[in-house]
Parts: sequence; C-alpha cells; structure tokens
Amino acid sequence: DVKVTQSSRYLVKRTGEKVFLECVQDMDHENMFWYRQDPGLGLRLIYFSYDVKMKEKGDIPEGYSVSREKKERFSLILESASTNQTSMYLCASSAPGTVTDTQYFGPGTRLTVL
Amino acid sequence: QQQVKQSPQSLIVQKGGISIINCAYENTAFDYFPWYQQFPGKGPALLIAIRPDVSEKKEGRFTISFNKSAKQFSLHIMDSQPGDSATYFCAASTTGGFKTIFGAGTRLFVKA
Repeated sequence: DVKVTQSSRYLVKRTGEKVFLECVQDMDHENMFWYRQDPGLGLRLIYFSYDVKMKEKGDIPEGYSVSREKKERFSLILESASTNQTSMYLCASSAPGTVTDTQYFGPGTRLTVL
Repeated sequence: QQQVKQSPQSLIVQKGGISIINCAYENTAFDYFPWYQQFPGKGPALLIAIRPDVSEKKEGRFTISFNKSAKQFSLHIMDSQPGDSATYFCAASTTGGFKTIFGAGTRLFVKA
C-alpha cells in the first residue's frame, strides 16, 4: 500500500512565523504535490515537483515555497505565515506514466495562523 | 478552461436511495476523470475513474456516467449507505500532464 505521511495533523502558528510542513512518501513516486483545501473551493494546487530539486508553481503559489532534496520528501514552507493561510494542507504523490494517474494523499495538516 | 464545476455543494439522501453528483469541464484535452472520496480527518482517496473512450463505468454500487459531447460526467451511488457519508471530489487531468483539476467537492450525508 502506498503511504504518504505528513509531519503534523494539527499546527498552530502566529502571524509572521516561518512554518515548515513536511511530507514523506514510501512508494518511490517521482511526482509530489502540495494542495490546500478550503470549504467550497475544493483542492487548489500550490506547488508540485516531478523530480528531486525540481519544482513548478501551481495555481496559488504566492506566500509559499517548496523544497525537494530527496525523492521521498517534499516540504512546504510558509516564509511569513498570515491569517489567510489558515487552511487544511494536503500532500500527494503519483507515479508518472501509469495508466491510472492516481494521486495518493496524506491525511492532511490543519494549520491555524493566529 | 481549466475549471471543473461540481454540483451540488451538499446532498442529503435517505439510506437505500441514489446519490447523484454532477461535474462539467471545458478543456477538451482532459482525458482522465477520477472521483475521490474523503472521510473526515483523512486525505482524499481514489474511488473510481473513467477515460472518455467509454460512456459508463461501474464498480459495485458506484457508477460514472460520461457524456463527451456535453463535457459532463456524473457519479451515481446506488443503494446509498450511511458509510458513504463523505466529501466527494470530481477531477480531470491530461495523460502525461502534471496537474489534476479538482471540483469544489460535494458533502454527502446519508440518513439511516
């Protein structure tokens, strides 16, 4: 079974703090993704990575950065957290070139910025 | 062009009834249409998916109906059960592409 784990289930931070969210997958997937989930807006792609050290902006990259130093690990960084970044953050991974193109999600990190 | 529009936003169905969730897309380059199911406290998980070369796909109580000319697809849950209560997301992507576009989600509640 594919397993995607996220470092924290719940996180509370203060405005202006630097926040690190970490994601690890154990299936040797090339692709990894960070989404944020907000009610009524579905899942919106923040950044994705198709290889180590490679990253591409998604639909809402402003205020975020990412790091992928190892294939299995993809980190999301909030350089200076703001209250409008309070959200559920979901990490996912997938294997390119497969028929199903399935994304496997972690359990999510609920971030509250005060 | 990149949007996937999903309706309804929420749905309440009696146990044993049929749940129907609809999605529409614009980009004709999309060629993979998955549905994801998300339970509270969990990440979404693939439920069922379809490619546009077929008009229907059935897996147990779950059926996707696909209308290529109308650029619409829907999820039907037959004999809905309380355990089906979850949020459902439709999505669309392009083979070889990196991005999956998700609908806004439908919160389904099945009354016992």
